[in-house]
Amino acid sequence: QKEVEQDPGPLSVPEGAIVSLNCTYSNSAFQYFMWYRQYSRKGPELLMYTYSSGNKEDGRFTAQVDKSSKYISLFIRDSQPSDSATYLCAMSLYNFNKFYFGSGTKLNVKP
Amino acid sequence: DVKVTQSSRYLVKRTGEKVFLECVQDMDHENMFWYRQDPGLGLRLIYFSYDVKMKEKGDIPEGYSVSREKKERFSLILESASTNQTSMYLCASKAGAGEQETQYFGPGTRLLVL
Repeated sequence: QKEVEQDPGPLSVPEGAIVSLNCTYSNSAFQYFMWYRQYSRKGPELLMYTYSSGNKEDGRFTAQVDKSSKYISLFIRDSQPSDSATYLCAMSLYNFNKFYFGSGTKLNVKP
Repeated sequence: DVKVTQSSRYLVKRTGEKVFLECVQDMDHENMFWYRQDPGLGLRLIYFSYDVKMKEKGDIPEGYSVSREKKERFSLILESASTNQTSMYLCASKAGAGEQETQYFGPGTRLLVL
C-alpha cells in the first residue's frame, strides 16, 4: 500500500466551478501537509502548508486536514483556466527529511 | 520569497557522458534535495543533504552522486549517463528544524540522454 494515495484524474470542470482535490494517507504520524501546483514542464510551486488538523484559507484556496480520517483536501473556489495544472499533495513528519508525495491530480478548467 | 534556481532548463547528453546538474538556493536553508519525476512514477528522492559536505541516499541513488561544498549549492552528478536517466530533475530546499517544515522547488531540468 502506498503511503499517500491521490486520484490522478484528469479532472475537467467549467470555469467558475468549485474544485475539490483529495488525498488519503496511511501513516497517522504525519503532521505537516502541503499542496503544490505544477504547471506543465515546470517545478512544483508551494500553494498551501498546514500543520496538524483544521482548515487554512488563502484567497480562493482552502486546505483541510482531517487526521482522524487520514484525509486531506484542497478546495478551489471560482476556478479559472489559469488553475489548470497538476496538483500534488505532500506530507511529512517533524524534522524528518523525507516527504511523501501523492502522484498528482491533473486539473483542467475549461473557459 | 524563497528562490531555488537550477543551472539548466533543458539538457541533451550522450550515453556515457558525465553530467552535472547544479542547484542554488538563496534562503540559507540547511537541507537540500534532488528528485527525479517521471510519468506514472511521481517524485522519487535521489539524494538529500542536511549540511555542507553531508549527504544521505534517498530511494533511488544508484547511478548518481552529489556534492555540497557550500551551503547554498547542491550538485547532482551522473557519472556515466544512461538512457534510463532521461527524466525531469527537481531540486528542493528546506529550512532547518524548528522552522517551516516544507520544501521549495526549483524550476526543474529536463534531461534527455541519447
